Amino acid sequence: DSGVTQTPKHLITATGQRVTLRCSPRSGDLSVYWYQQSLDQGLQFLIQYYNGEERAKGNILERFSAQQFPDLHSELNLSSLELGDSALYFCASSPGAYYNSPLHFGNGTRLTVT
Amino acid sequence: GQQVMQIPQYQHVQEGEDFTTYCNSSTTLSNIQWYKQRPGGHPVFLIQLVKSGEVKKQKRLTFQFGEAKKNSSLHITATQTTDVGTYFCAGGTGTASKLTFGTGTRLQVTL
Repeated sequence: DSGVTQTPKHLITATGQRVTLRCSPRSGDLSVYWYQQSLDQGLQFLIQYYNGEERAKGNILERFSAQQFPDLHSELNLSSLELGDSALYFCASSPGAYYNSPLHFGNGTRLTVT
Repeated sequence: GQQVMQIPQYQHVQEGEDFTTYCNSSTTLSNIQWYKQRPGGHPVFLIQLVKSGEVKKQKRLTFQFGEAKKNSSLHITATQTTDVGTYFCAGGTGTASKLTFGTGTRLQVTL
């Protein structure tokens, strides 16, 4: 158990809809990262938050947004969903702001857009 | 932008054979991390290398960071069925405050 909690485990929704994915980091970790993994693909970095502030941005679409709350949990909002957004979305956490700490991944949320 | 490629994409070995995956970055890295993702699972951190030429071992796994800090390798000696999964390298650079994951190598081990 990594200590990172992601909910829900599965989401099935229709094109054009909006969903929210939730992540609770490991106790004591201040950074939260979001990654997208499409079928048999690698991990695409979306965005990082550190202690409530956006720290780094990757290939995140404008239809996607995220935030980190004072209790350090994070939410990833995906809107105007398209079929191509179907993927596994992972949240990861680490203690510090930089990339020299190991990332601890949650079990992921599998999003299916029909 | 920074790209991290891994080869091979896929390898199928018989139990007991050795396995190596190679990771190559388009830019010089500050550090490299390796992760393993079992089928249906999430990536799990294995190790981090930070020094040029560094070699680290974990039982049957040997990790190496290249002298130029642009490449890395993971070698598994005498594979076991428990080694099945996808191995990802992830590199960090000073100019980008994020880890860039490699394309991954999927390892299949059969008896």
